[in-house]
Amino acid sequence: DSGVTQTPKHLITATGQRVTLRCSPRSGDLSVYWYQQSLDQGLQFLIQYYNGEERAKGNILERFSAQQFPDLHSELNLSSLELGDSALYFCASSAITGSEAFFGQGTRLTVV
Amino acid sequence: GNSVTQMEGPVTLSEEAFLTINCTYTATGYPSLFWYVQYPGEGLQLLLKATKADDKGSNKGFEATYRKETTSFHLEKGSVQVSDSAVYFCALNNDMRFGAGTRLTVKP
Repeated sequence: DSGVTQTPKHLITATGQRVTLRCSPRSGDLSVYWYQQSLDQGLQFLIQYYNGEERAKGNILERFSAQQFPDLHSELNLSSLELGDSALYFCASSAITGSEAFFGQGTRLTVV
Repeated sequence: GNSVTQMEGPVTLSEEAFLTINCTYTATGYPSLFWYVQYPGEGLQLLLKATKADDKGSNKGFEATYRKETTSFHLEKGSVQVSDSAVYFCALNNDMRFGAGTRLTVKP
């Protein structure tokens, strides 16, 4: 158990809808990262937050947004969903930027 | 900017074969380097790491040496097992960007 909790584990939704994925980092970790993993593709870095503030942005679509709350949990919001958004979404946390990251089990999103 | 280039997969080996997965990086400063492993149906977990030049990370029979002169961090194992079948990711610490991943299948 990595100590990072992601909910829900599975999500099935229709095109055009909006969903929210939630991540609770390990106790004490200030940095949260979000990744997208599609079939046969690597891990695409989406965005990083550190202690509530956006720290780095990767290949995140404008339809996607994220935030980190004062209690350090984070949410990834995906809107106007398309079939191509179907993927595994991982959250990871680390104590500080650059230290070892611990990954959650992921949320599998299926858009139908 | 920072980037990681990882050996293309997939890699299929027989049990007890020698494994090398190449990883090179581009970065400013002196990043830490990581190898993560993703077993089927699971999230990623840290396999090994190195924090400075010439450091060797090792775990579960896997090794990787931080080579600043060649900007590389190649993963090696002398004798792979079926249980090593997984996807392996090289990563750069600065913002945790990952390589494309290399899928390893070990056949008995």
